[in-house]
Amino acid sequence: AQSVSQHNHHVILSEAASLELGCNYSYGGTVNLFWYVQYPGQHLQLLLKYFSGDPLVKGIKGFEAEFIKSKFSFNLRKPSVQWSDTAEYFCAVTAGDKLIFGTGTRLQVFP
Amino acid sequence: SQTIHQWPATLVQPVGSPLSLECTVEGTSNPNLYWYRQAAGRGLQLLFYSVGIGQISSEVPQNLSASRPQDRQFILSSKKLLLSDSGFYLCAWSGRRRAISGANVLTFGAGSRLTVL
Repeated sequence: AQSVSQHNHHVILSEAASLELGCNYSYGGTVNLFWYVQYPGQHLQLLLKYFSGDPLVKGIKGFEAEFIKSKFSFNLRKPSVQWSDTAEYFCAVTAGDKLIFGTGTRLQVFP
Repeated sequence: SQTIHQWPATLVQPVGSPLSLECTVEGTSNPNLYWYRQAAGRGLQLLFYSVGIGQISSEVPQNLSASRPQDRQFILSSKKLLLSDSGFYLCAWSGRRRAISGANVLTFGAGSRLTVL
C-alpha cells in the first residue's frame, strides 16, 4: 500500500536557523510529490510540487525540496527560517487519482 | 476563478444522530473530489474520493459514507454518529489527472469541525 512517512513530528528552531524536514514515501509507480503547508488558522495550501524534470524544485517563500528517487525521499529545506514559517507541513504523494499525506510536521520558529 | 465551499464550519452532534457535511465547487467542471479527516498527530487521512457523479471510492472502513449527486457537489454522511467520528473534515478538489504527468494539485476547503458528544 502507498504510504508517506514524516519522521520529524515537532521541530523547534530559532529565526535564521536552517530547516530540513524529512519525507519518505512508499509507492511502486510513477510518483508526483508535494509539500503542503497549513499556517495557524488558515487553509491547507500548496508549498511546492514535483512532477518531472529537475529533481530540485523551488516553492514559495524560499522553500525548496529535492526528489531523490533512489532514497524514495522528498525532503523540504529552507536555508534561513523566519517566525512567519511557523506552521504545520505535510508531505504528500500522488497514487493514481489519490493524494496520500504524511502525518505532518509541526514547525515552531522563535524570534 | 474556482472556489470551494464547505459547510457547516462547526457542528456538535449527539451520539447516534445523523450527519451531513456538504461541499460544493464553483468555477470548474468534472473535478475530482475528496474527503479527508485531519487529526492531530495523524495527518490527513483520505476517506473518500470521486472521479465522477455517482462514483465513490472508499479508502477506509468506517461509519461514514459519501455521495456525489451532482458534478460539483460532494456530501459526507452518517446514519448514526459515533464518538470516534469527532474530528476535522476537509473537502478538496482537483482537476482531472493528466495523462502525461499524472499529477493532481488539490485545493482544500476551510474544513468542518465535528464534535460528537
